[in-house]
Amino acid sequence: GIQVEQSPPDLILQEGANSTLRCNFSDSVNNLQWFHQNPWGQLINLFYIPSGTKQNGRLSATTVATERYSLLYISSSQTTDSGVYFCAADDYKLSFGAGTTVTVRA
Amino acid sequence: KAGVTQTPRYLIKTRGQQVTLSCSPISGHRSVSWYQQTPGQGLQFLFEYFSETQRNKGNFPGRFSGRQFSNSRSEMNVSTLELGDSALYLCASSLADGTLPYTFGSGTRLTVV
Repeated sequence: GIQVEQSPPDLILQEGANSTLRCNFSDSVNNLQWFHQNPWGQLINLFYIPSGTKQNGRLSATTVATERYSLLYISSSQTTDSGVYFCAADDYKLSFGAGTTVTVRA
Repeated sequence: KAGVTQTPRYLIKTRGQQVTLSCSPISGHRSVSWYQQTPGQGLQFLFEYFSETQRNKGNFPGRFSGRQFSNSRSEMNVSTLELGDSALYLCASSLADGTLPYTFGSGTRLTVV
């Protein structure tokens, strides 16, 4: 199956800082999704981005399918951005990375 | 539009028992897939159902099974529970045509004692 690697595993930010999370995947995929897992465990869909760039408020994502990676940008981070971010490659099922745990300090 | 609904939210079972979890997908979504999340193994795919048929299956023992009903609601069953089955079980629904993303429910947290 597809292998998905996320980096860094942990990220500590000061409120207001910008950051980039990376997701590498081992093979061609149908689609790529980014999720934020809330404290209650639910996976909240952030981006559905098989290729190209999308923006949603302070978050944006870019997927370069030919080079098999995706980036999630967090700008002007806030404490509410804390949590675990997952990317998942869709090859008729979702293969998840191990996640990046983001901690934003006030 | 209602989201993906999973019941129950929390469950405590004893080793050797069996358990059934339920997932109601978003209206119009015909694909339901199940995932297990544990601290050690992360998020792992269990199986996917589409139009009442299992379409894909992950690498889990036969104790894990599922089914889907004609209204697209799905259940997963775990028999002869082991301590290692303690996990957050998440279900996701999609249109399964690749045009929309997977949407997840809030999960069922199963504790086996």
